Amino acid sequence: KAGVTQTPRYLIKTRGQQVTLSCSPISGHRSVSWYQQTPGQGLQFLFEYFSETQRNKGNFPGRFSGRQFSNSRSEMNVSTLELGDSALYLCASSLGRRGGANTEAFFGQGTRLTVV
Amino acid sequence: GEDVEQSLFLSVREGDSSVINCTYTDSSSTYLYWYKQEPGAGLQLLTYIFSNMDMKQDQRLTVLLNKKDKHLSLRIADTQTGDSAIYFCAEMNTGFQKLVFGTGTRLLVSP
Repeated sequence: KAGVTQTPRYLIKTRGQQVTLSCSPISGHRSVSWYQQTPGQGLQFLFEYFSETQRNKGNFPGRFSGRQFSNSRSEMNVSTLELGDSALYLCASSLGRRGGANTEAFFGQGTRLTVV
Repeated sequence: GEDVEQSLFLSVREGDSSVINCTYTDSSSTYLYWYKQEPGAGLQLLTYIFSNMDMKQDQRLTVLLNKKDKHLSLRIADTQTGDSAIYFCAEMNTGFQKLVFGTGTRLLVSP
């Protein structure tokens, strides 16, 4: 069974631009979560989608947004990029239901975004 | 509130046992996880434990949970050089489907 696929793996953008990152979850998984990883702040939760609905959101500005499609694939968008947005963006997929293995979250390889 | 703490660094010799510790503050945490991250890679789920369990064993990995002290540990038996990585503990309240990660412990295994 294929794992979580994130594209692209690497991106370089200029301040002020916007960027869209993509995540394809494991087949059958309906929950997709996004995390930002930086050396200073560590791993921080951005948001989680389940069946095309955002169920939970972290403490990030409105420049960070996401969506989920009917096939569970998800995209994350960052507008008006700032230097501080440089990070590894990780997405995770899970069954998204309560109980045991339903909560296991499997991560993709991440997208390394560099803002110059 | 939510806060997860880990020691930053652990160095062991190949063949020894490694113990990585984690403390958390959210008493409503339902599941606790251990992830491994190798350089340039995403996070690999190693194991998890439900909050009503004290211990879980999975091959070379043993997870111990002291819910009263909100302390979680991961023991790796017969540590190998391939175990060198950063290890993250994380907590989740299943009502929120959101993982709160610790700062990560860098494990260095020397031959």
